[in-house]
Amino acid sequence: EPEVTQTPSHQVTQMGQEVILRCVPISNHLYFYWYRQILGQKVEFLVSFYNNEISEKSEIFDDQFSVERPDGSNFTLKIRSTKLEDSAMYFCASSATGTGGFGYTFGSGTRLTVV
Amino acid sequence: QKEVEQNSGPLSVPEGAIASLNCTYSDRGSQSFFWYRQYSGKSPELIMFIYSNGDKEDGRFTAQLNKASQYVSLLIRDSQPSDSATYLCAVNLGAGNQFYFGTGTSLTVIP
Repeated sequence: EPEVTQTPSHQVTQMGQEVILRCVPISNHLYFYWYRQILGQKVEFLVSFYNNEISEKSEIFDDQFSVERPDGSNFTLKIRSTKLEDSAMYFCASSATGTGGFGYTFGSGTRLTVV
Repeated sequence: QKEVEQNSGPLSVPEGAIASLNCTYSDRGSQSFFWYRQYSGKSPELIMFIYSNGDKEDGRFTAQLNKASQYVSLLIRDSQPSDSATYLCAVNLGAGNQFYFGTGTSLTVIP
């Protein structure tokens, strides 16, 4: 079964450092997303991406965050200067349709720990 | 503010029983409704989606939607210990791509 792959599975970084989280969406999917889940809290939307541009973003996705599709397969989330409160599980997701009509396929996640 | 509310639980049921999980949502414009299962430390896994009022069955799972009451539920028949997980309700307005998730209900199936 096709899957979304994320690397690394766990990243530890010092506050103020830049991190890049990587995702390889399902090959025929056209819509890509990043969500995060702080430990014990709900899954929260960060950003959606289609046709090489951001289609929607949340209040969480401020100037410290950026996304990129550098080639035909990877989808990355960059946090420029990490804060302690950025510690969370970050999930990449992809879907074939733009309305999310059949639900997303989530990747296995990257646990980001900011120390 | 678009809210999706779930009882956090924990909900405990004996093996073989029916587990009933409930979710309410605040935005009447919501069009698509999803149930995800999340094992501890893992990513959400889609179980079912429903768009129309009424029931939708898939194996041991039944999703129920009542748009007038802004209520969606998930029934798990013949519960198994492997069903022990947190169940997340998610809502989509349809026009955009964003899903709004509830905090999840923790289910434990006791052998």
